[in-house]
Amino acid sequence: AQTVTQSQPEMSVQEAETVTLSCTYDTSESDYYLFWYKQPPSRQMILVIRQEAYKQQNATENRFSVNFQKAAKSFSLKISDSQLGDAAMYFCAYRSFMNYGGSQGNLIFGKGTKLSVKP
Amino acid sequence: DAGITQSPRYKITETGRQVTLMCHQTWSHSYMFWYRQDLGHGLRLIYYSAAADITDKGEVPDGYVVSRSKTENFPLTLESATRSQTSVYFCASRGQGDYGYTFGSGTRLTVV
Repeated sequence: AQTVTQSQPEMSVQEAETVTLSCTYDTSESDYYLFWYKQPPSRQMILVIRQEAYKQQNATENRFSVNFQKAAKSFSLKISDSQLGDAAMYFCAYRSFMNYGGSQGNLIFGKGTKLSVKP
Repeated sequence: DAGITQSPRYKITETGRQVTLMCHQTWSHSYMFWYRQDLGHGLRLIYYSAAADITDKGEVPDGYVVSRSKTENFPLTLESATRSQTSVYFCASRGQGDYGYTFGSGTRLTVV
């Protein structure tokens, strides 16, 4: 079974600075998707960025970028020029490319990292 | 409104009562999922459905029942609520072949 580990329960960053959130995962599959979700106090789950494992190029979305290391099974999220609105819980998630093991492609989540942004 | 709607947003119930959480989506997505979110556990899959009348258990299904008689609705029922089921519940959907997910806004359930 696949697992996702976020080793930093809480992180803090100064406004305008850069912060990196860590995520590692365990899988025997070669094709899969990885995601970062943001959950602000409103509880809404917001997709920040996604990465297809077969793509070597790291995904970027404006101030958000990932460092995808497939061999190391690592998928960290870098937030540049941090803003107060970035304060939230961040979840790393994994999804099989195919419907392996009877699963219908559900997301497997890490436990989350709570990010605080200091003004 | 287009999207995925969960109701109620907040619910307080007593131990032993039956509770149903509603989920409705307007995209005709094939796949629907129920997750629970607990501090220190992230989101864990309760049940999922690949289509109308096709459902299956996830990681933490005990004490829950689902049904999917129509593609757009996927209610989650707690047959006899327990305090350990106090949680935030999220419904999500995904289209066939689509790796993008859409989440509802969640239901915070408190069992007293």
